[in-house]
Amino acid sequence: DIVMTQSPDSLAVSLGERATINCKSSQTVLYSSNNNNFLAWYQHKPGQPPKLLIYWASTRESGVPDRFSGSGSGTDFTLTIDSLQAEDVAVYYCQQYYSTPYTFGQGTKLEIK
Amino acid sequence: QVQLVQSGAEVKKPGASVKVSCKASGFTLTGHYIYWVRQAPGQGLEWMGWISLNRGGSDYAQKFQDRVTMTRDTSISTVYIELSRLRSDDTAVYYCAKNSGSHGGFDNWGQGTLVTVSS
Repeated sequence: DIVMTQSPDSLAVSLGERATINCKSSQTVLYSSNNNNFLAWYQHKPGQPPKLLIYWASTRESGVPDRFSGSGSGTDFTLTIDSLQAEDVAVYYCQQYYSTPYTFGQGTKLEIK
Repeated sequence: QVQLVQSGAEVKKPGASVKVSCKASGFTLTGHYIYWVRQAPGQGLEWMGWISLNRGGSDYAQKFQDRVTMTRDTSISTVYIELSRLRSDDTAVYYCAKNSGSHGGFDNWGQGTLVTVSS
């Protein structure tokens, strides 16, 4: 199984500042035949289902604000939230969909400082 | 619009089985899979497996291989997950989710079903 490891486990950022969450996979999730990274990011708020933010490591899902961006390739990935808003408080997960089981990172809890 | 509507909360005793449903609407079955993901209290998201909506094939995480069954009824666009030999650590919110037809991300989710296992 591919192990996904996020850092940090929790993060406190001031409103309007940038939040950065890292995700590392135990093996590559880059599919060489199409040069896509099989990596997604989700936002999860209490009492709601997770929400897809980013797929292919860097493509924003429709309707997701452009302050959310994803980057990275191979085994190392980053979710960046620019100009943090109060509604961004949530737990964020990375997930690989390169091979089953489609494992998630352990989650990063984002709070307001 | 795309909707995944799950059945209601369940309370079960250890050793029993539970069956949760997920009714799909607003999209064609072809090329889509339904995934099941659970979240135990205070824990992260755990991938359990998938079922193909049109072909009916399935694949389960090894952890659940001997206890989980995913099925579908295409006539009512509903998929099911059944988990047997329940233990207290199966207490969790169970989500169904649909993959995008163009990428592997889970672009729509059910509202979640709380399953509580308690004697």
